[in-house]
Amino acid sequence: NAGVMQNPRHLVRRRGQEARLRCSPMKGHSHVYWYRQLPEEGLKFMVYLQKENIIDESGMPKERFSAEFPKEGPSILRIQQVVRGDSAAYFCASSPYRGPNTEAFFGQGTRLTVV
Amino acid sequence: DAKTTQPTSMDCAEGRAANLPCNHSTISGNEYVYWYRQIHSQGPQYIIHGLKNNETNEMASLIITEDRKSSTLILPHATLRDTAVYYCIAPQGGSEKLVFGKGMKLTVNP
Repeated sequence: NAGVMQNPRHLVRRRGQEARLRCSPMKGHSHVYWYRQLPEEGLKFMVYLQKENIIDESGMPKERFSAEFPKEGPSILRIQQVVRGDSAAYFCASSPYRGPNTEAFFGQGTRLTVV
Repeated sequence: DAKTTQPTSMDCAEGRAANLPCNHSTISGNEYVYWYRQIHSQGPQYIIHGLKNNETNEMASLIITEDRKSSTLILPHATLRDTAVYYCIAPQGGSEKLVFGKGMKLTVNP
């Protein structure tokens, strides 16, 4: 069983460019979560998606950030007009169903560097 | 999330059992206790979770006190590869959202 796959593993963008981060959940998982980890800090929840639906986006910055999880294909975290402060590791996790009694499995992350 | 409190750090000798404590005195009846760890800068790794009963899997055991105000993660035979930051999390009200605190740095020494 392939785990949660994130790509690219490393991404370098110049200020003002767009960054697209992809996450393919584990087979059979229809719930995806995105987390951000700034350098030397803990993981912060960003958004929770189910296929074609955003369930909880309480951790998403109000501007420039968006996420989707289409019916087909990976989940995408999109950052428009990146700034240096967006440099971080972005982790995606997936789970098989909704509810409190379910574990989430994380990918290895995408490390975004904005220059 | 139910607030969890962990020591900042802990050392353990290789081959010995590592007992990682967590206090969650404000936990509600339907809130599970989850443990994850993050090795260096890798993605967090799920370890175990439980509600009331003690749980065991191939990685660890989770002992939850009867009043559910605290729990202990037990790594029965710690190895150098168990060196990581360990997070004890109690998602609020059955939420799927994991709120990672500062965690506890476990260092396994040879």
